[in-house]
Amino acid sequence: GQQVQQSPASLVLQEGENAELQCNFSTSLNSMQWFYQRPEGSLVSLFYNPSGTKQSGRLTSTTVIKERRSSLHISSSQITDSGTYLCAMVDGGSNYKLTFGKGTLLTVTP
Amino acid sequence: ETAVFQTPNYHVTQVGNEVSFNCKQTLGHDTMYWYKQDSKKLLKIMFSYNNKQLIVNETVPRRFSPQSSDKAHLNLRIKSVEPEDSAVYLCASSWLGAYEQYFGPGTRLTVL
Repeated sequence: GQQVQQSPASLVLQEGENAELQCNFSTSLNSMQWFYQRPEGSLVSLFYNPSGTKQSGRLTSTTVIKERRSSLHISSSQITDSGTYLCAMVDGGSNYKLTFGKGTLLTVTP
Repeated sequence: ETAVFQTPNYHVTQVGNEVSFNCKQTLGHDTMYWYKQDSKKLLKIMFSYNNKQLIVNETVPRRFSPQSSDKAHLNLRIKSVEPEDSAVYLCASSWLGAYEQYFGPGTRLTVL
């Protein structure tokens, strides 16, 4: 079945540094989403980005379908950015279920 | 703004009991999903319903049974819970074929 590889598994930054999170897919994808998971478990959708580049504030998502990868760039990181970031893909032959990566745990220190 | 609602937020129960979780979406979507996030934090699909019809069932134990009264509601019942059922259960919705999914806040189940 399809696999979603996220890297790095964890990342520690000082406040103000930039972060680059990666997501690689083992099969062709129809779309992908980036989520932020709060400590209590709820998911916040950051980007629905099937292809190209999207930006929202300090966050930028870039998906390159041909290369089966997507990235999430966080600029000028803040302590409140700390948490788990998840990427997920949809394979068109899967009845549209999301397949998730294992996540990147980001810790931003003062 | 929350548009996918789940109850309860938390539930603690003992092995062998039955539990039910509720999910409602007010987005007008026609497809709803249940995902499970286990202790290893990996999120996996359990079920998917489109207009009250089951379209995805990912080899989930028979003690799990989804129930859909209409396209806006998808509940999850677990008969005779086991310790490995301790997890966060997340409900989501979307338009079929639209791929982007919207998630509820989750229900954290602890089985003692």
